[in-house]
Amino acid sequence: AQSVSQHNHHVILSEAASLELGCNYSYGGTVNLFWYVQYPGQHLQLLLKYFSGDPLVKGIKGFEAEFIKSKFSFNLRKPSVQWSDTAEYFCAVNARGYQKVTFGTGTKLQVIP
Amino acid sequence: EADIYQTPRYLVIGTGKKITLECSQTMGHDKMYWYQQDPGMELHLIHYSYGVNSTEKGDLSSESTVSRIRTEHFPLTLESARPSHTSQYLCASSAMTENDGYTFGSGTRLTVV
Repeated sequence: AQSVSQHNHHVILSEAASLELGCNYSYGGTVNLFWYVQYPGQHLQLLLKYFSGDPLVKGIKGFEAEFIKSKFSFNLRKPSVQWSDTAEYFCAVNARGYQKVTFGTGTKLQVIP
Repeated sequence: EADIYQTPRYLVIGTGKKITLECSQTMGHDKMYWYQQDPGMELHLIHYSYGVNSTEKGDLSSESTVSRIRTEHFPLTLESARPSHTSQYLCASSAMTENDGYTFGSGTRLTVV
């Protein structure tokens, strides 16, 4: 069975700091990978996804993530965070050929002005 | 803006009551899902459907039931609510291709007293 680990549960950064949120998954086969974001009081929404091709994927609002197959990782990055990036971020994975998606426990990001 | 709608947004009910959480989507997605979300925990899949008259139980044991009589509608029912059912319930939908990602509703925050 696939699983997802997000090691940082709560991250606090000042505006303009760089961000990297870790995500590791356990599954030996080919996977599709996702990052979702949930802003305060809003619904979960897709931030970016990877399913093939360039392992560096770019999403909305300046976010990007890099798939490193050898490390089973899909870390989320942003060079310079803004106060409006305060949200909870969820990494998710589904095994290629299977529909069910497994989510991580989420990382709460708090950006201080 | 999400094209998947959940009602009610908040619900407080007494133990033993029967409740139905509504979920509707206007995107024509074949696949729909119910997740349970608790603070600091991963999202747990409780039910899913790949089309009309198709429903399956997810990874998390749940005393709820679902139905899929129409493509756009995927209600979740608790026959007899208990305090242990207190949680946030998220409905999601996706297109047929597995790498499309999910569209989530705003959720129903259920409190059973």
